[in-house]
Amino acid sequence: GAVVSQHPSWVICKSGTSVKIECRSLDFQATTMFWYRQFPKQSLMLMATSNEGSKATYEQGVEKDKFLINHASLTLSTLTVTSAHPEDSSFYICSARAPGGYWAQYFGPGTRLLVL
Amino acid sequence: GIQVEQSPPDLILQEGANSTLRCNFSDSVNNLQWFHQNPWGQLINLFYIPSGTKQNGRLSATTVATERYSLLYISSSQTTDSGVYFCAVGEGGSEKLVFGKGTKLTVNP
Repeated sequence: GAVVSQHPSWVICKSGTSVKIECRSLDFQATTMFWYRQFPKQSLMLMATSNEGSKATYEQGVEKDKFLINHASLTLSTLTVTSAHPEDSSFYICSARAPGGYWAQYFGPGTRLLVL
Repeated sequence: GIQVEQSPPDLILQEGANSTLRCNFSDSVNNLQWFHQNPWGQLINLFYIPSGTKQNGRLSATTVATERYSLLYISSSQTTDSGVYFCAVGEGGSEKLVFGKGTKLTVNP
């Protein structure tokens, strides 16, 4: 149980284009989802907290106009990287808070983005 | 905000050896999770352990919340145990997870 999927698993795009990444909780409803970013050989950094039906809360230093987050249903959150540039190339990972009131988070497999 | 420190940063073992990974944190927590990140980047949940002791096969974990540390034990290590092990904590009252920098484990045959 508590499976989180992401799509696509990897994407290559040209500079200036927008890329949408989907995060789905497959077997549970997630009122809260999270988006992280990981650079090579580094740890995960929280980008934003996504709550179903409300605006996302972004961490300090994360551009909300660059990284658009939508959490339209209890099983789907999307991250759109707008006007992507090479410095946006990274590994993006989503997670969903466990059901039943637990604080644990379950993580998706991640999306590798390469902007040329 | 809460600080998370993991040690050692790198660990090299021979297959069959035992190891202990440590996670220190600077404040009280409502969540502490151990993850194994495999070579493809997938974070695999090992333990949800804000306090107490748990065991799962060759792995076990102990969190002493009052002393603000957690330990992950790996016994009879296998080459498939290689990868990066992350400790992540949630500060009391917060849903957010703060990750340590990880311990890179290499198990040689």
